[in-house]
Amino acid sequence: KAGVTQTPRYLIKTRGQQVTLSCSPISGHRSVSWYQQTPGQGLQFLFEYFSETQRNKGNFPGRFSGRQFSNSRSEMNVSTLELGDSALYLCASSLFGTTSQSRNNEQFFGPGTRLTVL
Amino acid sequence: QKEVEQNSGPLSVPEGAIASLNCTYSDRGSQSFFWYRQYSGKSPELIMSIYSNGDKEDGRFTAQLNKASQYVSLLIRDSQPSDSATYLCAVNKNTGNQFYFGTGTSLTVIP
Repeated sequence: KAGVTQTPRYLIKTRGQQVTLSCSPISGHRSVSWYQQTPGQGLQFLFEYFSETQRNKGNFPGRFSGRQFSNSRSEMNVSTLELGDSALYLCASSLFGTTSQSRNNEQFFGPGTRLTVL
Repeated sequence: QKEVEQNSGPLSVPEGAIASLNCTYSDRGSQSFFWYRQYSGKSPELIMSIYSNGDKEDGRFTAQLNKASQYVSLLIRDSQPSDSATYLCAVNKNTGNQFYFGTGTSLTVIP
């Protein structure tokens, strides 16, 4: 079974621009979560989508948004980029997401998108 | 207080030894616990999940969960240089609305 895929793998943008990242979950997985990883803060939760609905949201400003399509693919968008948005953005898919307390909530990560804001 | 705490390390062990990684969590009602391995420049890879008190073994890896003491540990037996990585502990709180990750423990296995 193919793993989680993310595109693009690398991005370089300038301050003020916006960016859209894409994630395709493992086939059959309905939950997609997004994380930001930086050396100083570690893995920070952005949001989770399940069946096209945002179920949970972390403590990030409104410039960070996302959506999920009917085929479970997900996109996240960052508008008005800031230097501090430079990070590795990871998506993770699971069968039923975080509300399950069984192996159905195991999350599998994609390779990530490395975003650099200049 | 952080949701999940780990010693950042670095932890160094000789090849063939047992590496012991520890993690504590703050929400007593947490139900799901995970260990991920992350190589430098790569994304986290799921090693183990554990949901009940006690030990769970998978090959050279053993996860241990003690809900009363609110800690979860990972033992790596017969450590190999290829085990050198950062190990992340993750917890799904009782409310089940997101995973919380520790900042990771850096492990180096010395040949």
